[in-house]
Amino acid sequence: NSKVIQTPRYLVKGQGQKAKMRCIPEKGHPVVFWYQQNKNNEFKFLINFQNQEVLQQIDMTEKRFSAECPSNSPCSLEIQSSEAGDSALYLCASSLGSQNTLYFGAGTRLSVL
Amino acid sequence: SQLAEENLWALSVHEGESVTVNCSYKTSITALQWYRQKSGEGPAQLILIRSNEREKRNGRLRATLDTSSQSSSLSITATRCEDTAVYFCATGDSGYNKLTFGKGTVLLVSP
Repeated sequence: NSKVIQTPRYLVKGQGQKAKMRCIPEKGHPVVFWYQQNKNNEFKFLINFQNQEVLQQIDMTEKRFSAECPSNSPCSLEIQSSEAGDSALYLCASSLGSQNTLYFGAGTRLSVL
Repeated sequence: SQLAEENLWALSVHEGESVTVNCSYKTSITALQWYRQKSGEGPAQLILIRSNEREKRNGRLRATLDTSSQSSSLSITATRCEDTAVYFCATGDSGYNKLTFGKGTVLLVSP
């Protein structure tokens, strides 16, 4: 069973508001991923980290999205100015390595009204 | 374009029956993973099968990998209602830092 903890489970924001969600990866896992899953179950990779350093991120993440994984603190994903199209389930996962099993949290479901 | 894709959007079976979910992918891979996502939960890995393996089992689950046709299958025998979930295949290429997930197949197991 996954021990990745995501908070909050649900987040409701108005358009233009900031939305911030957090993730505590499984202990000992140096790699952390953020994915966005839409209502059609489609995954979109956003960003991943290895030991607090960004490995890879998509263009969307570079603009309105920001993320960090500081040592000894939860990882976080923040949307600076939420848009209706950002409504989705945001999944955090951790792993021993980028080519290993991903352990997912239950997700944060963001609704932008 | 999708690097991995399940071939059917939805399947429905009765408890006790067997079912197979298929997946095709478009690039060379080092491994293919199958995940299951139940309602209200994050995905959980079922099987990881590496490119030099042809078959892998995990209890009632059996995954196959055919690198020549770039396809994989996940079979579930003696299905149970609790197998109701969305099933995803996921791949990473030789230099990957991330997994790319298919669109998923919804499996409904009814009593």
